[in-house]
Amino acid sequence: KAGVTQTPRYLIKTRGQQVTLSCSPISGHRSVSWYQQTPGQGLQFLFEYFSETQRNKGNFPGRFSGRQFSNSRSEMNVSTLELGDSALYLCASRGTMNTEAFFGQGTRLTVV
Amino acid sequence: DQQVKQNSPSLRVQEGRISILNCDYTNSMFDYFLWYKKYPAEGPTFLISISSIKDKNEDGRFTVFLNKSAKHLSLHIVPSQPGDSAVYFCAASARLDQFYFGTGTSLTVIP
Repeated sequence: KAGVTQTPRYLIKTRGQQVTLSCSPISGHRSVSWYQQTPGQGLQFLFEYFSETQRNKGNFPGRFSGRQFSNSRSEMNVSTLELGDSALYLCASRGTMNTEAFFGQGTRLTVV
Repeated sequence: DQQVKQNSPSLRVQEGRISILNCDYTNSMFDYFLWYKKYPAEGPTFLISISSIKDKNEDGRFTVFLNKSAKHLSLHIVPSQPGDSAVYFCAASARLDQFYFGTGTSLTVIP
């Protein structure tokens, strides 16, 4: 069974640009969550999608948005990139609530 | 507001000894708790979980303890091995809600 796949693995963007990250969950999983990891901040929750609907949202500005497709694949978009957006972005999928989430390897975004 | 806290950023333990990683939470509605392990340049890997109806869960060398009255969670690794060196994150959720993660504890197991 394939795991959670995130693309691309590494990305370098210029301040002011926008970026789209992709996540393919484990087959059969309908919930996809996105997290931002920066040094010393742990994993900060961005949002969660379930069956194409945003179910939960963290405290991030509106520049961060996402969506989920009918095949459960999800994308995250960040517009007007800032230097502080440089981070590891992690995607996680789970089959049902109150079960563990499985993470992808992440996308390392560097904003210069 | 950090609802899940790991107050020790790092921990060093001798190989073969016990590693104890601690986690505190503030939300009494949390009913599901997990520990993840993370190596550099990889995503977190699920280790062990516990629901609020239990106070202990074991899986091989890993045991998680939950003290609901103290809102405290701990992970015991016995015996510790060099391959256990990684960053450990605790996480908690309330039913139908997102996971809240701590800031992580970097464990170094010294051979």
